[in-house]
Amino acid sequence: GAVVSQHPSRVICKSGTSVKIECRSLDFQATTMFWYRQFPKKSLMLMATSNEGSKATYEQGVEKDKFLINHASLTLSTLTVTSAHPEDSSFYICSATWQASSYEQYFGPGTRLTVT
Amino acid sequence: DAKTTQPPSMDCAEGRAANLPCNHSTISGNEYVYWYRQIHSQGPQYIIHGLKNNETNEMASLIITEDRKSSTLILPHATLRDTAVYYCIVTSGSARQLTFGSGTQLTVLP
Repeated sequence: GAVVSQHPSRVICKSGTSVKIECRSLDFQATTMFWYRQFPKKSLMLMATSNEGSKATYEQGVEKDKFLINHASLTLSTLTVTSAHPEDSSFYICSATWQASSYEQYFGPGTRLTVT
Repeated sequence: DAKTTQPPSMDCAEGRAANLPCNHSTISGNEYVYWYRQIHSQGPQYIIHGLKNNETNEMASLIITEDRKSSTLILPHATLRDTAVYYCIVTSGSARQLTFGSGTQLTVLP
């Protein structure tokens, strides 16, 4: 149980275009979903936290107008990278929790974004 | 959340126990110790967590010192598939946020 999927697993887009990444909890209802970014040989950096039906809370330094997060249902959250630039190329990972009191996060497999 | 300190890398022979240390000297009373691991180019995987008692599950054991200022993750019989970066995270997490440090790269050698 507690499986989280992401789609696509890899995406290449041209500079200036937008790309959407989906994060789904397959067998549980996710009360909270998190989005992380990871650059090569670096650790995960939290970008934002989203609760179903609420606006996402962004970490300091993360542009909310550039990284649009929608958490419309208890099983789906999306991250849209708008007007992508090569420096946005990274590994994007989502995670989800299913209990209000649980600190266990279940992570998706990640999405490799390359902006050319 | 308390800061953690882990060695950047460790090697372990296949079949032997892997003992991964973590220092968290500023941990407070309501903070848990969590361990996750990340195999290359995959999302992190939850391993185990504890508050003050030692914990064991099918993956690993977690030994927390009595003063809670350090802990050790034990993989009893390491396999090549255990090669990964292991993250020790301390959190009270009212927002259930996890702050990942640089972790320990464990390499299991054949």
